[in-house]
Amino acid sequence: EVQLVESGGGLVQPGRSLRLSCAGSGFTFDDYDMHWVRQVPGKGLEWVSGITWNGGTIDYADSVKGRFTISRDNAKNSLYLQINSLRAEDTAFYYCARCSIRSKDAFDVWGQGTMVTVSS
Amino acid sequence: DIQMTQSPSSVSASVGDRVTISCRASQGITNWLAWYQQKPGKAPKLLIYAASTLQSGVPSRFSGSGSGTDFTLTISSLHPEDFATYYCQQVIRFPWTFGRGTKVEIK
Repeated sequence: EVQLVESGGGLVQPGRSLRLSCAGSGFTFDDYDMHWVRQVPGKGLEWVSGITWNGGTIDYADSVKGRFTISRDNAKNSLYLQINSLRAEDTAFYYCARCSIRSKDAFDVWGQGTMVTVSS
Repeated sequence: DIQMTQSPSSVSASVGDRVTISCRASQGITNWLAWYQQKPGKAPKLLIYAASTLQSGVPSRFSGSGSGTDFTLTISSLHPEDFATYYCQQVIRFPWTFGRGTKVEIK
């Protein structure tokens, strides 16, 4: 079964750091570009960051540039998001998603999400 | 950035109704557009990619059309399980922006 499973979320104080992980299984992980998308509870989807299959190209939303770092370890079938200097507005569900050339770069597989709450 | 404007923000409909959701891009994106369905407490699910291609396993009552800046998602006959929020997304240029969503509610 093709699956993405996020972990690493939790309650964090403002200014602290957090590292989210996303484990892929059931597919050849390094065949795919990967992305992070976040969603404030009750609100819409916000694309956060994306990384190509080999890590050669990375991009970020302006709202997180300079504080978030995306990375991947294809040997471990894993995607990561390092979040520094956390702010209250970073409180959201964070989803990892697989980007498929076969679906013209749409996100065809999503994880279940991990919740990040930034509060003192 | 490319802005994606969805309308309406919500629609009330009954089982069996035909529902149409619009998505407009602030600049031309040819057919680099996807539609997603999200139910409460769940991750989004890909319905349509390349503006009009149905993702495998998605019922044929869902269809997408459009090119350039104007796109439409149509549910031909609403089923009970279709009550959800729908999002469009452009995937032609970073940052890959989503529309604000359209909530399909039970009338």
